[in-house]
Amino acid sequence: GEDVEQSLFLSVREGDSSVINCTYTDSSSTYLYWYKQEPGAGLQLLTYIFSNMDMKQDQRLTVLLNKKDKHLSLRIADTQTGDSAIYFCAESINGGSQGNLIFGKGTKLSVKP
Amino acid sequence: GAGVSQSPSNKVTEKGKDVELRCDPISGHTALYWYRQSLGQGLEFLIYFQGNSAPDKSGLPSDRFSAERTGGSVSTLTIQRTQQEDSAVYLCASSLEHRAKNIQYFGAGTRLSVL
Repeated sequence: GEDVEQSLFLSVREGDSSVINCTYTDSSSTYLYWYKQEPGAGLQLLTYIFSNMDMKQDQRLTVLLNKKDKHLSLRIADTQTGDSAIYFCAESINGGSQGNLIFGKGTKLSVKP
Repeated sequence: GAGVSQSPSNKVTEKGKDVELRCDPISGHTALYWYRQSLGQGLEFLIYFQGNSAPDKSGLPSDRFSAERTGGSVSTLTIQRTQQEDSAVYLCASSLEHRAKNIQYFGAGTRLSVL
């Protein structure tokens, strides 16, 4: 079945780059997403990438996709304390469940001043 | 509306009682999703609606859980005879359409505590 895995914690210093990694199992994934969840809030879409792309950049965010290894990463440049949150990786798949999103358990990013 | 709205934001109930959770999706969004987020866990898919129909109810944990959507808009998730293991944050999301490129917009959730 489909599965998305992420490391649970990441701690960085303010101003450094953060790299959050994610692996997925379904090779028919079409879109992959990064969501951010701040305390007491719902999930906010940060960015997404189509599976035929290798990289997508949006301001401080860079998404890298290695389709062969089924590995997705989110790089946050010049990390700020306001970036402290839980980051979820998600994939949407083809087939009978087309459109369903499969989420990882989330990576809690802590940014130290 | 401006975003996905959920009510109540917090609900405390006694074991055995029924609860109803409400979701108001973004205006014009035809697809609506319910998820459950338990402490330290990812998002567990419960059910989705395309219009008023629920093609996929596979995630509902038991027959105590049901959901409906009327007028292609508001949805309610009902949990009957609540149990302590039902305690979680229930998140609702909506998207323009249920398809491969599925950008979902989330509400802030309802935190349910079953005593």
